[in-house]
Amino acid sequence: DQQVKQNSPSLSVQEGRISILNCDYTNSMFDYFLWYKKYPAEGPTFLISISSIKDKNEDGRFTVFLNKSAKHLSLHIVPSQPGDSAVYFCAASASGQNFVFGPGTRLSVLP
Amino acid sequence: EPEVTQTPSHQVTQMGQEVILRCVPISNHLYFYWYRQILGQKVEFLVSFYNNEISEKSEIFDDQFSVERPDGSNFTLKIRSTKLEDSAMYFCASRTGTWGEKLFFGSGTQLSVL
Repeated sequence: DQQVKQNSPSLSVQEGRISILNCDYTNSMFDYFLWYKKYPAEGPTFLISISSIKDKNEDGRFTVFLNKSAKHLSLHIVPSQPGDSAVYFCAASASGQNFVFGPGTRLSVLP
Repeated sequence: EPEVTQTPSHQVTQMGQEVILRCVPISNHLYFYWYRQILGQKVEFLVSFYNNEISEKSEIFDDQFSVERPDGSNFTLKIRSTKLEDSAMYFCASRTGTWGEKLFFGSGTQLSVL
């Protein structure tokens, strides 16, 4: 039972363009969402989060959008840089319980 | 920024052997977690630990697995009799417990069961 889905296993984007990574969830009790970036042989690194009371959160080049009615969130990276190439995980939790991770999307930013 | 520390970075063991993976969470954190990622697959929740007891565990976390906080700083994951399918990257994570606070992850232990 995949509570958190990332339907695109991979994404390629030109440097300087926008990267949009998508995430869908099924559990309506989720109230906190995070994006993590992961390089090979390293632990996930926190990028940005959003709570269910907001529909947008921005931090520098990273913006997360939340559409609660669609149970969908997306991460926008503008402009994309080669160093952004990594696997991106969407994660969700309900009332501070454990975080459920999606399967990840591998982003490749081409120079 | 404070870090979650995991040792060893790599562990190779024979099937049926016991392994202990070690983690030092961030010092003022109260909630501790183990996740794992089998090569090419998603990051999977194993167990969460709070107030010296397991608060939640997944179906993966069967009787072969146990966790312990033997002192004020270490948090360990023990696999009693390893199986080939236990080969994965194991991540420890911690957080303070404040709602809305992120998980801090360690860099992982790559476990290879031969």
